[in-house]
Amino acid sequence: DQQVKQNSPSLSVQEGRISILNCDYTNSMFDYFLWYKKYPAEGPTFLISISSIKDKNEDGRFTVFLNKSAKHLSLHIVPSQPGDSAVYFCAASNSGGYQKVTFGTGTKLQVIP
Amino acid sequence: NAGVTQTPKFRVLKTGQSMTLLCAQDMNHEYMYWYRQDPGMGLRLIHYSVGEGTTAKGEVPDGYNVSRLKKQNFLLGLESAAPSQTSVYFCASSYDIASYEQYFGPGTRLTVT
Repeated sequence: DQQVKQNSPSLSVQEGRISILNCDYTNSMFDYFLWYKKYPAEGPTFLISISSIKDKNEDGRFTVFLNKSAKHLSLHIVPSQPGDSAVYFCAASNSGGYQKVTFGTGTKLQVIP
Repeated sequence: NAGVTQTPKFRVLKTGQSMTLLCAQDMNHEYMYWYRQDPGMGLRLIHYSVGEGTTAKGEVPDGYNVSRLKKQNFLLGLESAAPSQTSVYFCASSYDIASYEQYFGPGTRLTVT
């Protein structure tokens, strides 16, 4: 049972345009969400997070939006740059007990110069 | 400050052989994790540790054992390797239960023939 779903395996965007990566979750107990970025032959690195008490969190070119009623979150990258080309993992956790993090399957973003 | 390091980076095993993957972190983190990444499956938690001397099972623990004798090290063992254990293995660490952000190592690519 995939509790965190990234239905788009890949996405191509022109440099300078907006990249929108989507993520859906099924477990209503999740209350903290994260995005990780992964380059080939490297481990994932933390990008941005959001708590369920918020619906938006911004960090420079990266903004994460959370729609709790739809159990949906999205990552916006504006403007997209070639260096943003990577695999992006959505992840979710709940604050009760041990902070187990459930990861999605990833979306490969290609930013075309 | 090396962060999280993993040894080895690559390994090829024959079915039935055993090996140990070593993870080391120099950030004084309490929590450590072992994940495996397979195509289309995202990152799945194998085992984790909430402190020195403690370990617990994750989502896919079968066929693996772990030990955390020192706070900075987390070892993942395969006693009798199987082709189904061909994967990329990532170690991660985090500071405490309030910190969902995990720091990942570069990964170990294991092939079992």
